[in-house]
Amino acid sequence: DSGVTQTPKHLITATGQRVTLRCSPRSGDLSVYWYQQSLDQGLQFLIQYYNGEERAKGNILERFSAQQFPDLHSELNLSSLELGDSALYFCASSSPWGSTDTQYFGPGTRLTVL
Amino acid sequence: GESVGLHLPTLSVQEGDNSIINCAYSNSASDYFIWYKQESGKGPQFIIDIRSNMDKRQGQRVTVLLNKTVKHLSLQIAATQPGDSAVYFCAESSTGNQFYFGTGTSLTVIP
Repeated sequence: DSGVTQTPKHLITATGQRVTLRCSPRSGDLSVYWYQQSLDQGLQFLIQYYNGEERAKGNILERFSAQQFPDLHSELNLSSLELGDSALYFCASSSPWGSTDTQYFGPGTRLTVL
Repeated sequence: GESVGLHLPTLSVQEGDNSIINCAYSNSASDYFIWYKQESGKGPQFIIDIRSNMDKRQGQRVTVLLNKTVKHLSLQIAATQPGDSAVYFCAESSTGNQFYFGTGTSLTVIP
């Protein structure tokens, strides 16, 4: 158990809908990262937040947005969903202390768009 | 973008043998590398990391080797066990920048 929690574990929705994925980082971690993992691709970095502020942006679509709240949990919002958005969405967190930026991953949310 | 690739998409080994999983990276500025293990239905799990000022780092039954000259990273698993069956990802980053992950190598341990 990495200490990172994600809800829900599974999500099934229809095209055109909007969903929100939630992530709680490990205790003490200030950074939260979101990744998308499709069947035919590796982990694709979407976005990073650090202590409530956006720090880095990767291959995140304009239909997707995220935020990190004062209690450091984060939400990833996916709107106007398309079939191709079906994937595993992982959240990871890392600590600002220590000598590395090792990311610890949550169990993921499996999104199925029908 | 960055390119982190794996030489072999699948690897099968006999239980008790040693496993070697390879990874190539393209950014010579990368200075931090991580190996992750991902079991079916789970999130990636940190295995071992190495910084560019090192060539080798050992953990429990695992060793990571870094060859900066050819931009190559490998993960060695000693005495491979059935529980080692999983997909293994390498990831690389340069200080302060995002991580880039390879597509993964699927390791199957044959009892």
